[in-house]
Amino acid sequence: SQQGEEDPQALSIQEGENATMNCSYKTSINNLQWYRQNSGRGLVHLILIRSNEREKHSGRLRVTLDTSKKSSSLLITASRAADTASYFCATGYSTLTFGKGTMLLVSP
Amino acid sequence: EAQVTQNPRYLITVTGKKLTVTCSQNMNHEYMSWYRQDPGLGLRQIYYSMNVEVTDKGDVPEGYKVSRKEKRNFPLILESPSPNQTSLYFCASSPGGGDDYEQYFGPGTRLTVT
Repeated sequence: SQQGEEDPQALSIQEGENATMNCSYKTSINNLQWYRQNSGRGLVHLILIRSNEREKHSGRLRVTLDTSKKSSSLLITASRAADTASYFCATGYSTLTFGKGTMLLVSP
Repeated sequence: EAQVTQNPRYLITVTGKKLTVTCSQNMNHEYMSWYRQDPGLGLRQIYYSMNVEVTDKGDVPEGYKVSRKEKRNFPLILESPSPNQTSLYFCASSPGGGDDYEQYFGPGTRLTVT
């Protein structure tokens, strides 16, 4: 069963704009992870946020976590065409399960 | 270079003809997993393995078999493939299971069953 659900399903923006994707999950977690997938390729790990953290940064990425609402958001600032990809959240105690992803299109 | 490799990358086969997709990792990871990815359904886990000789069913195990005889290898076996197994398959590995660990993904195997 899928633990996380991303929202929106698809997002289209212009280069330079910020992109925000949300993830909701169902059960308690230790950590939550975000991954990126370029079209048809293997997923690549972006960032892990622990359940006792509220916010984490990595370059142009900012992740927030609200365990009371069972939700997380991924913000990509100053988007580039190269950020075009699908983004997935993932969590799970014994085995990692993924949501269906948000497809981000960044137009030049 | 640390990596997960899968073979073949592309495969077209016919219904009922047994096939094996190989997966190998060179990072000495304990945990390995297989996923299938279909449009609109995201990634769904087929089987996973916490260690050598230990395998467990994921969300969609029907029609698949796996084995973990060596730490580095985790082949996916389709004994009698059917068209509904046409999909994009990914192998992944990590130091352990669950959300404590980053997973490393292979490049994917695109399977078509006619």
